[in-house]
Order: sequence, then C-alpha cells, then structure tokens
Amino acid sequence: DVKVTQSSRYLVKRTGEKVFLECVQDMDHENMFWYRQDPGLGLRLIYFSYDVKMKEKGDIPEGYSVSREKKERFSLILESASTNQTSMYLCAVGLAGERLNEQYFGPGTRLTVT
Amino acid sequence: GEDVEQSLFLSVREGDSSVINCTYTDSSSTYLYWYKQEPGAGLQLLTYIFSNMDMKQDQRLTVLLNKKDKHLSLRIADTQTGDSAIYFCAETPQGSNYQLIWGAGTKLIIKP
Repeated sequence: DVKVTQSSRYLVKRTGEKVFLECVQDMDHENMFWYRQDPGLGLRLIYFSYDVKMKEKGDIPEGYSVSREKKERFSLILESASTNQTSMYLCAVGLAGERLNEQYFGPGTRLTVT
Repeated sequence: GEDVEQSLFLSVREGDSSVINCTYTDSSSTYLYWYKQEPGAGLQLLTYIFSNMDMKQDQRLTVLLNKKDKHLSLRIADTQTGDSAIYFCAETPQGSNYQLIWGAGTKLIIKP
C-alpha cells in the first residue's frame, strides 16, 4: 500500500499569512488530491492533480492554489489565510486500475487561522 | 448533481451489531466504498463493493447494496470499542477517472 505523509499535524497561522501544506507519497501514483474536512460537511475536494504540473479545480478552489513539481509531492497553498480556512486538510493519493478511484489518505493537518 | 447521504451519528452497545446506512443518487455508480476515520487520523479504506454485487462479507464486516433503492449499508458484527470512528460512504460516478463523491460521515459511538 502507498504511504502518504503530510508535513504538519497541527498548524496555527495568522490571518493574511501565506501557508504551505505539503503532501508526499512513497510510490509513483499519478493522482493526488487535497480535501478539507469540516464537521457535518464530509470531505470537499479543493484541487486534484493527475500528473506533474497538471491540476484541476475541485469543488471549493477559491482562496487556494496548488503546486506539483515532482510526481511524489503535491503542495496546497493558502495565498492569504483567513479564519474561514480553519479546518482539517487531508491529502490523498488515488489508485487507478482495477479498484477504480480507491484513495489512500495522509494523517491530516489541522490548521487554525487566528 | 450526485449526492451521498448518511446519518451523522449512530450509538450502539458493545457486542451488538452496528448498521451504518448510506443513500446515493447516481444510479450509474460503479464502485462504492466505506472508509473509516479514527480520532485524529486520516481516512483508511475499510471495504468496497462493485455495483454488480449485492453483498460482500469480510470477517466482521458485511456490505449490502440495494441498487434499486440506491442504498448501501455497512454492518459491523460484535461491535468493539476499537470500532469507534467516523465511517464515510463514497461512490465513483460512472465515467469519472478520479472523482469520489463523499457522504458527510457517520460517527459510531460505542456504549459500554
């Protein structure tokens, strides 16, 4: 199984700061995702990348950008953090093939913006 | 658009069976998944079922799929305290090569 790591488990930032969240996989899968998780809302897709330098907007991309310079690494960037971006952020790696769209998740980063 | 719905909470006694339910709207879904999220952790795949099946059993877990009613359930036999978690239902819409549509998650609470 693929191992997914995220750079921080907990992060506290101030309003207006630029925030980088990093996600790294230990294999060579093409599909990587960033979600945010809020109570009662489930997982909402922010951005998706299907290869190096390739990205697609998810359901809630506003206020976020992403970077995929190497296949194993997918970064989420909050250009100017706001309090409504306080959330749990989850990175996932997607497996194509037989079990279509099966995803493996990192442990999550709980971000608080004050 | 596609939608997946779950109850937010389920409370059961230790040793009883838990049944977590999910309804979805996309009748052309191919795979349906159950993920488990333990406190403070990311999600892990628990089990999945292909849309041409109506039941799948894996040790204490039984997945039932009713395509006609677009209803998916996860039964956990002999529920233990280690089963305390949030359980997410997700579906793969037909024609998608990456997307999963997620339910909001059901928090399973175990009473001693």
